[in-house]
Amino acid sequence: DGGITQSPKYLFRKEGQNVTLSCEQNLNHDAMYWYRQDPGQGLRLIYYSQIVNDFQKGDIAEGYSVSREKKESFPLTVTSAQKNPTAFYLCASSATGVHETQYFGPGTRLLVL
Amino acid sequence: GQSLEQPSEVTAVEGAIVQINCTYQTSGFYGLSWYQQHDGGAPTFLSYNALDGLEETGRFSSFLSRSDSYGYLLLQELQMKDSASYFCAVNRDDKIIFGKGTRLHILP
Repeated sequence: DGGITQSPKYLFRKEGQNVTLSCEQNLNHDAMYWYRQDPGQGLRLIYYSQIVNDFQKGDIAEGYSVSREKKESFPLTVTSAQKNPTAFYLCASSATGVHETQYFGPGTRLLVL
Repeated sequence: GQSLEQPSEVTAVEGAIVQINCTYQTSGFYGLSWYQQHDGGAPTFLSYNALDGLEETGRFSSFLSRSDSYGYLLLQELQMKDSASYFCAVNRDDKIIFGKGTRLHILP
């Protein structure tokens, strides 16, 4: 079955610690995205990538980093510079094109200890 | 700048019809999408309008007026399982921009 997987489902971060959220897709999509969602809020774009080895900052990139070494994978690192990381993180992918639909993974809920 | 406006909450009765409006202001507009998200879940795609007019998919329909920068999602024959948040989103040339979402409450 094609789809997007995210792991872990829940992640706990200690003060000053970097953590990495995994996102893998087998839909053969070129574009991948990371969003942050806070309770009762919409989706805010953190980073996106239209092609392997290239990515762009979204609206709230500070305190986050990404890599895109493989088409299937787009991991997100929440660094210690992100002072308020508690949120629901969603990864999405789409085919390339302005009319394409985004497909979302199940999300990772990050909590700070 | 860019912005999308939609009501934060809407309440309707089971079996009724409800309309969720969305107005947008953005450059590089290509189309308007709608996504549904149940509590704790991931957003899923519902409908997309690239051209003016109405698109119908079962109980759900979506409308777009590009000249008015306005669209809406129409849900008919409401069921309790339709209780969720609904997001309008603008498809731009480089990414999709999401609104803050409308929480739909359905009363029995």
